[in-house]
Amino acid sequence: DADVTQTPRNRITKTGKRIMLECSQTKGHDRMYWYRQDPGLGLRLIYYSFDVKDINKGEISDGYSVSRQAQAKFSLSLESAIPNQTALYFCATRGTGMNTEAFFGQGTRLTVV
Amino acid sequence: DQQVKQNSPSLSVQEGRISILNCDYTNSMFDYFLWYKKYPAEGPTFLISISSIKDKNEDGRFTVFLNKSAKHLSLHIVPSQPGDSAVYFCAASEYYGGSQGNLIFGKGTKLSVKP
Repeated sequence: DADVTQTPRNRITKTGKRIMLECSQTKGHDRMYWYRQDPGLGLRLIYYSFDVKDINKGEISDGYSVSRQAQAKFSLSLESAIPNQTALYFCATRGTGMNTEAFFGQGTRLTVV
Repeated sequence: DQQVKQNSPSLSVQEGRISILNCDYTNSMFDYFLWYKKYPAEGPTFLISISSIKDKNEDGRFTVFLNKSAKHLSLHIVPSQPGDSAVYFCAASEYYGGSQGNLIFGKGTKLSVKP
């Protein structure tokens, strides 16, 4: 089983619909992240959470919200999806020590039509 | 305002030769640098990292060099293999307030290794 699991893997939704992307991890890490990847733009940070009670906006949080249901679960919601939110979304976790790497899920390909 | 820049969107090399991927950064407070590899339909996977107290770190065919004065790092792959064909992301973070900051990623370089 993967250390970081994202569901769904692929999703097509209509403009204006609400959609939730889910992420769970077995790494035991406190820190969890949501990134978005667009062609030519790399990985951009949407939201991050350092523990269950800590939620922070990243570089591109407009149009998104998150929920940290437990240490192991971090979900991303699009309240009213729009076509320019079509992208590849990645969840990641990271340990709190110094000089640690992040572990990524396999991604969710979201298409908003 | 990009803090981590990968100015080459793509790179093509012959199998067996050296691949050199470059990355520049602007934030002098960055003290930890990482390279990730990403295949299509998969998440990024950690490849190699380097702390700012070092100027070189080696792991098998992969070596990362850090030039702090130039705010530049590079990833060398020797010898390159067709399985190395992927998108490579450079990332950086700074340590402050007793914790490691968020990873800031470059836009990626697509490496193609031709047989």
